Amino acid sequence: SAVISQKPSRDICQRGTSLTIQCQVDSQVTMMFWYRQQPGQSLTLIATANQGSEATYESGFVIDKFPISRPNLTFSTLTVSNMSPEDSSIYLCSVQLAGGNSYEQYFGPGTRLTVT
Amino acid sequence: AQSVSQHNHHVILSEAASLELGCNYSYGGTVNLFWYVQYPGQHLQLLLKYFSGDPLVKGIKGFEAEFIKSKFSFNLRKPSVQWSDTAEYFCAVSPGYSSASKIIFGSGTRLSIRP
Repeated sequence: SAVISQKPSRDICQRGTSLTIQCQVDSQVTMMFWYRQQPGQSLTLIATANQGSEATYESGFVIDKFPISRPNLTFSTLTVSNMSPEDSSIYLCSVQLAGGNSYEQYFGPGTRLTVT
Repeated sequence: AQSVSQHNHHVILSEAASLELGCNYSYGGTVNLFWYVQYPGQHLQLLLKYFSGDPLVKGIKGFEAEFIKSKFSFNLRKPSVQWSDTAEYFCAVSPGYSSASKIIFGSGTRLSIRP
């Protein structure tokens, strides 16, 4: 299994500012992901954080708005840039661990962001 | 594009009632299937998963799910629910051709159990 921590756990930010969310894993993992869970909705994948290269973004998400860093196999950051109230959401980091012929994905506790 | 449908948005049951939450997916190839649970105030946890083999999968806390390939379904069941099962349940799917596949989530089903 994997233990994932995220900082901050929650924040209230002003419109137009940026927030960087940190994700730390207790073991080295190949695959790290960033998801968004908007109020009352399901999880939407933002991007896959690749170690040593640029993140791979899903449709509707761009690097300028959500820059991601992945400096090593245990850490990643997601920045929400130039925030607007529509960015209010829970942002989750997750990692994928392989085992045998299957894998499991573990999720962090999330960062609850409110933009005013 | 792959998608996951959970038809029940909110289910309310009494304790000891039987539970079945529907999940259908759209993807023509091999898939890996998951059910995740999010208890109030807690982070997402894996309930069970299907990769191959027996289509009836048993998970934690007495939950099970059956993969019916012909129906593109992976319904979650529990014969007798408890108040502590109150949570949000998410069905998810990923293509089975790669271990590095992203997971697509359904919209979730909120389960409320009356004590």
